[in-house]
Amino acid sequence: QKEVEQDPGPLSVPEGAIVSLNCTYSNSAFQYFMWYRQYSRKGPELLMYTYSSGNKEDGRFTAQVDKSSKYISLFIRDSQPSDSATYLCAMSFQGAQKLVFGQGTRLTINP
Amino acid sequence: DGGITQSPKYLFRKEGQNVTLSCEQNLNHDAMYWYRQDPGQGLRLIYYSQIVNDFQKGDIAEGYSVSREKKESFPLTVTSAQKNPTAFYLCASSSEQGAGVAGELFFGEGSRLTVL
Repeated sequence: QKEVEQDPGPLSVPEGAIVSLNCTYSNSAFQYFMWYRQYSRKGPELLMYTYSSGNKEDGRFTAQVDKSSKYISLFIRDSQPSDSATYLCAMSFQGAQKLVFGQGTRLTINP
Repeated sequence: DGGITQSPKYLFRKEGQNVTLSCEQNLNHDAMYWYRQDPGQGLRLIYYSQIVNDFQKGDIAEGYSVSREKKESFPLTVTSAQKNPTAFYLCASSSEQGAGVAGELFFGEGSRLTVL
């Protein structure tokens, strides 16, 4: 079993839809949770960062962490074609030597 | 402009040849990383370095080698011992030691290696 599981998709939705992307994990020590966005043929860039449980909102993006269920989510409201990318979850803990990444979900927003 | 520069962007190699991928950063970051990305497998850590003249193996180090002689530079050599080297390689850096635990990884644009 992988430490972090993420459905690779692909996921295709119409413009304006609400998108929900999810990751589950097995290591209860994880405290830091991140979402990276990667456009085609580019390197990933940090989109959202959350510490411990709770919600964080940034514009159209909301990150949720449920540590009791070992489940994190990224919601995209009013999705735009420019949101089409691969979304990677990543997580770590204090003293960790590395981030652990999910497989990435390829998302397409259709105009 | 601060950032990470990877070269070459595309590289073709014959089987049995070693190849070196370049990674240079001008962000003054201590920590640097090499990841490999294959379809459906996310990012897998090859090697990382938290300080000059020191580096550690990641999850898939076999068939790869690195050096860290300068803070700005962290080249990756894909050797002929790597059984399946065709992949997208990403270099990253972080101002945080400890693999960007509470910080951000900055990535280069990647190098796509194809073995013919």
